[in-house]
Order: sequence, then structure tokens, then C-alpha cells
Amino acid sequence: GEDVEQSLFLSVREGDSSVINCTYTDSSSTYLYWYKQEPGAGLQLLTYIFSNMDMKQDQRLTVLLNKKDKHLSLRIADTQTGDSAIYFCAESMRGAGANNLFFGTGTRLTVIP
Amino acid sequence: NAGVTQTPKFQVLKTGQSMTLQCAQDMNHNSMYWYRQDPGMGLRLIYYSASEGTTDKGEVPNGYNVSRLNKREFSLRLESAAPSQTSVYFCASRGIGGNYEQYFGPGTRLTVT
Repeated sequence: GEDVEQSLFLSVREGDSSVINCTYTDSSSTYLYWYKQEPGAGLQLLTYIFSNMDMKQDQRLTVLLNKKDKHLSLRIADTQTGDSAIYFCAESMRGAGANNLFFGTGTRLTVIP
Repeated sequence: NAGVTQTPKFQVLKTGQSMTLQCAQDMNHNSMYWYRQDPGMGLRLIYYSASEGTTDKGEVPNGYNVSRLNKREFSLRLESAAPSQTSVYFCASRGIGGNYEQYFGPGTRLTVT
């Protein structure tokens, strides 16, 4: 089955790097995603990685995928107060319903000025 | 483009009352989804519609019904609301192909007393 896990909270100081971790159990995942949810808002896609990649970099964001350990991480460089939000990892499996997404519990990132 | 819109933004119901949450998308997407978000539990899929005219149960369908009225609209109905249905409800949609990204609405915050 699908089981996506994240730690619930992370606090970092402004200017430091943040690393948000996620583990998943289904090795047939095709894409893995990071979504950001700001207070009172819906989810917005931050970045994603295809399952045959190990790393993807997009400006301040670096996604690392370790398929052997089923571990996904999101690194935010030079974290800013505007990065305070809940971050969800999600996986998509080909053939799962309408290519349904399975979400983790979300990690609430708090950036301390 | 408005993307995915949801109405209402907030709703308070008494136990046993019924209501319909509305969702519409203007991106010509085939697939639409309803999720609920509860603290510490991430997003859980209630129902989805892979294409116009089809609907399927997700992870937590009990107590809900859905209607895919046309390609744009996907509604979620609570026939007899219960306090356990107090949650934030998100609608999402997805097009064909690509990275299977889902686009989310702003959410409906529902309280059942």
C-alpha cells in the first residue's frame, strides 16, 4: 500500500538551510512531489522529481531521491521568513486510480528571524 | 484563468444537516479530486473522477457523495453531517500527461457542531 511519512515540525533560523525529509513505501512511484501550503490557502506545487532521477535543483530548492531507501528530501537554501509554511511530499503511481497522489502528513516549517 | 474555485470558503453546520460543496475548474482538466485535510494526517482522498461521467471512491468515502456535473464541475455532498466531518476540504484537478501535477482550490473550512 501507500504510506508516506514526514516529521511534523521543523524550525530553522533565517539564512540557514532547511532540510525536510520524507519516506515512502511504494517502489512503483513514477513521480514524487513537494507541495507548499501557506496559511489559509490551498496547496501549490513547488517542485517534483521523476523516479529515474537522483537529484533536481531549482534555484534555492534541491530535491534528493534515494530509491533504494525510499527517501526523498527537500533542501531550501538561504531560508527566508516567507518560506514558513507546511510542506507536503506526495507520490504518484501510474495506474493508481486517476494517477492519484498519496500525501504525507506535512512538515510545518517555522523560520525564526 | 481562475484555476480551481471552491464555494463556500467557510461553513458551520449542525449535526444531521446536509450541504453541498462546489468545485469548478477552467483548465479543461479531465480528472478532479476531493480531499479532506486534518491536523497531523495530511490530505486524504475522499472521491475522485478520472473523467466526465465517472466517479470512484478514495481512501475515506463514507458519509460523502459526489457528482461530476460536467467537465468543469465536481461537487461533494454531505447528506447528514457529523462532527467527525469537521475538516478543511480541498478540490483539485489534473490534465492529461505531463508530470501528473494536481492543481488545488483554496479550500472550504467546515465545522459541524
